[in-house]
Amino acid sequence: AQSVSQHNHHVILSEAASLELGCNYSYGGTVNLFWYVQYPGQHLQLLLKYFSGDPLVKGIKGFEAEFIKSKFSFNLRKPSVQWSDTAEYFCAVTRGGYNKLIFGAGTRLAVHP
Amino acid sequence: DTAVSQTPKYLVTQMGNDKSIKCEQNLGHDTMYWYKQDSKKFLKIMFSYNNKELIINETVPNRFSPKSPDKAHLNLHINSLELGDSAVYFCASSKSGTGGPNTGELFFGEGSRLTVL
Repeated sequence: AQSVSQHNHHVILSEAASLELGCNYSYGGTVNLFWYVQYPGQHLQLLLKYFSGDPLVKGIKGFEAEFIKSKFSFNLRKPSVQWSDTAEYFCAVTRGGYNKLIFGAGTRLAVHP
Repeated sequence: DTAVSQTPKYLVTQMGNDKSIKCEQNLGHDTMYWYKQDSKKFLKIMFSYNNKELIINETVPNRFSPKSPDKAHLNLHINSLELGDSAVYFCASSKSGTGGPNTGELFFGEGSRLTVL
């Protein structure tokens, strides 16, 4: 069955530290990849997505992610985090042509000033 | 203007009651979803409708009955509520198809927090 794994459940960083959140998926066919963010008490918002083309994807708020097909990975990065980045981050995958979005378990990021 | 709107945002009710959550999207999308987020923040798809037709029905108890009167609306009715139904329910919508820049991207509502006492 298709699954999405996020290795870090809880990450604590100081402001200006660099961030990398891991995401691996198990499906071997064509996939669309997403990172969503959920700020405390809010709904999910799209950070970035990968459908095809350049495997390095830039999103909003300085986030980027790299699709490495051979590793089935789509890790999220940000060179310098801010306190306002404190949130829950979800990696998600759909198979090409299908809109069933499967989420990872989420990573809770806490950034201390 | 809210693209995907859900009502109510908060719902507190007793076990055994029946309740409904409504969802509307004004994005012109043809596919709508219900997701359940549990207390550990895990998100799981429950249902999906495409052009009013049920296309995804995960292993959800039949106490949960979705209804899509038209492409812009997807409601969720829950009968005989149980403690384990307490969660945040998110509605989402997307544009279907196999091509195009937004295919597969889901837009979420703000969630409806259901508490069953």
